[in-house]
Amino acid sequence: GAVVSQHPSRVICKSGTSVKIECRSLDFQATTMFWYRQFPKQSLMLMATSNEGSKATYEQGVEKDKFLINHASLTLSTLTVTSAHPEDSSFYICSAVGQGHEQYFGPGTRLTVT
Amino acid sequence: EDKVVQSPLSLVVHEGDTVTLNCSYEVTNFRSLLWYKQEKKAPTFLFMLTSSGIEKKSGRLSSILDKKELFSILNITATQTGDSAVYLCAVEGTDSWGKLQFGAGTQVVVTP
Repeated sequence: GAVVSQHPSRVICKSGTSVKIECRSLDFQATTMFWYRQFPKQSLMLMATSNEGSKATYEQGVEKDKFLINHASLTLSTLTVTSAHPEDSSFYICSAVGQGHEQYFGPGTRLTVT
Repeated sequence: EDKVVQSPLSLVVHEGDTVTLNCSYEVTNFRSLLWYKQEKKAPTFLFMLTSSGIEKKSGRLSSILDKKELFSILNITATQTGDSAVYLCAVEGTDSWGKLQFGAGTQVVVTP
């Protein structure tokens, strides 16, 4: 089946710093990828839609200047959490849409901001 | 606003039991309903349902959709401890291609 990777799997950073998370579709091209966030004991919440070659579209309540998304190629999307604060600590998951329209999720990145 | 409600929120069963998980939804211009299994990491895809009344089956798991009553069920027969996970239901509308609205999930614990 299709494989989506994320890097890093886990990151700890200090408050005020920026963190970049990569999402790659390893064996297929994805013009669209999605970024989700999951807080403990809660379900996944869609943050934004990442489109190759164009600007990302953000869900209501998600700050686009804080969560910068770049979809530079058909296999790579990056999410940069700028000026991270402890409340940004969460599990960030990307997904990539395959040719059959199904979504494949990456393994997730656990971000801890101290 | 699209809404997905899963029930029960959690359940504990013994190995060998059958479990039935429920997902009811409200979505503008329904396109599909998906089931995922989430263990410690990101969700893994189980089923995508688009048509009413057609059961999808994969091993001991099966799922069916009722578009008239706006719900789906996921069945797991002869449960094993490896089935312990959170099962997530998500819906997608035609107006929001690819965007999934997730339910809160059902935590299933299978005891030996």
